Amino acid sequence: QVQLVESGGGLVKPGGSLRLYCAASGFTFSDYSMTWIRQAPGKGLEWITSISSSGSSKQIADSVKGRFTISRDNAKNSLYLQMNSLRAADTAVYYCSREALTANDAFDIWGQGTMVTVSS
Amino acid sequence: SYVLTQTPSVSVAPGKTARITCVGNNIGSKSVHWYHQKPGQAPVLVIYSDTDRPSGIPDRFSGSNSGNTAALTISRVEAGDEADYYCQVWDSSSDHVVFGGGTKLTVL
Repeated sequence: QVQLVESGGGLVKPGGSLRLYCAASGFTFSDYSMTWIRQAPGKGLEWITSISSSGSSKQIADSVKGRFTISRDNAKNSLYLQMNSLRAADTAVYYCSREALTANDAFDIWGQGTMVTVSS
Repeated sequence: SYVLTQTPSVSVAPGKTARITCVGNNIGSKSVHWYHQKPGQAPVLVIYSDTDRPSGIPDRFSGSNSGNTAALTISRVEAGDEADYYCQVWDSSSDHVVFGGGTKLTVL
């Protein structure tokens, strides 16, 4: 079945780095733009960054620009999020999501999320 | 930057109709998507492109979008509809995705 599975979350100290992974299955990964969205504890959804199907185009939120980098490997059906210079405000559940083909910028498939905690 | 405003909470009795709004400047010119999220779960797309339902979403869920307000309407509300609901658009001027702050739907 169509599935996204995130991994790589954990506890990291302020200023540290972490790399998140999203494994896709059940669909042709290379056909879809992909996105990372996060949710701080008890808060709403926050879009972080998106990447086109080929990887040639990326967009990123101002809150993480210069610190986070999205990338993908279509041969491995994998999406990545490199997070550097982490801050306490980056503490959140991070979701990997697929952008629907039938509706640009709607996210029709989501992973279960991976928790990132930034704390000393 | 573009801002979407949602009422923080809406309460409705079972069997009645719930209307959740999303206010943004000239939102009627944008394509609005809606998600619901139950505690401890990932969001689920329930309406896309203002009015369309993904497969598997009951026809009790409908959407509208005009002027400065988009709305998600849930007819014949059930206890299982209790969740947080988020609206979302893509803002072309910033090339960013924007989410509303969310509305908690409580079924009385």
